[in-house]
Amino acid sequence: DIVMTQTPLSSPVTLGQPASISCRSSQGLVHSSGNTYLSWLQQRPGQPPRLLIYKISNRFSGVPDRFSGSGAGTDFTLRISRVEAEDVGVYYCMQTTQFPWTFGQGTKLEI
Amino acid sequence: EVQLVESGGDLIQPGGSLRLSCAASGFSVSDNYVSWVRQAPRKGLEWLSVFYNGGSTFYADSVKGRFTVSSDNSRNTLYLQMNSLRADDTALYYCALSTETGALDNWGQGTLVTVSS
Repeated sequence: DIVMTQTPLSSPVTLGQPASISCRSSQGLVHSSGNTYLSWLQQRPGQPPRLLIYKISNRFSGVPDRFSGSGAGTDFTLRISRVEAEDVGVYYCMQTTQFPWTFGQGTKLEI
Repeated sequence: EVQLVESGGDLIQPGGSLRLSCAASGFSVSDNYVSWVRQAPRKGLEWLSVFYNGGSTFYADSVKGRFTVSSDNSRNTLYLQMNSLRADDTALYYCALSTETGALDNWGQGTLVTVSS
């Protein structure tokens, strides 16, 4: 199974300042199709998860452009250019390249 | 509009069985990848299984042999049959759709399963 490791597990942030979360996979995530199925999800308190970024760097519909994703191979990063109060929650990376699909442990973003 | 609505969660004794439902609208379950994901209290997300290509399935090791996914095309509903339930199966269970993004891009609100005597 592919293990997804996120750092940090907790990140105190300041409103208006940038934030970043790293995710490392135990194996490369390039699918036979040539796509890399690495995504980022946000879970606000009391809410189901919500997709933010798919295939490393594509923002999902309705996601603000302050969220961006990057990376390649086994190292990936989610960046928030300027943190807003509504960004508080837990962020997960996830790979859907190979079964079983797997999540990172989650990173708690707190103001 | 895509919508997924889970139901069937309950308080169940260890060793018991339960069937969860995921009623889908706005897309066809049989034509897409639909996953079950759970979240134990105050824990992270755990992917459990996927139903795809109209009948293919894959399971995480943690539930393989105990949980079974099936569908009813006439109801456009996905099911998760859970047997031999244990205390550590206590969680909020979500179903989620993967479209051309290749990610879990639409989620239901979840249904709560509590395994306790």
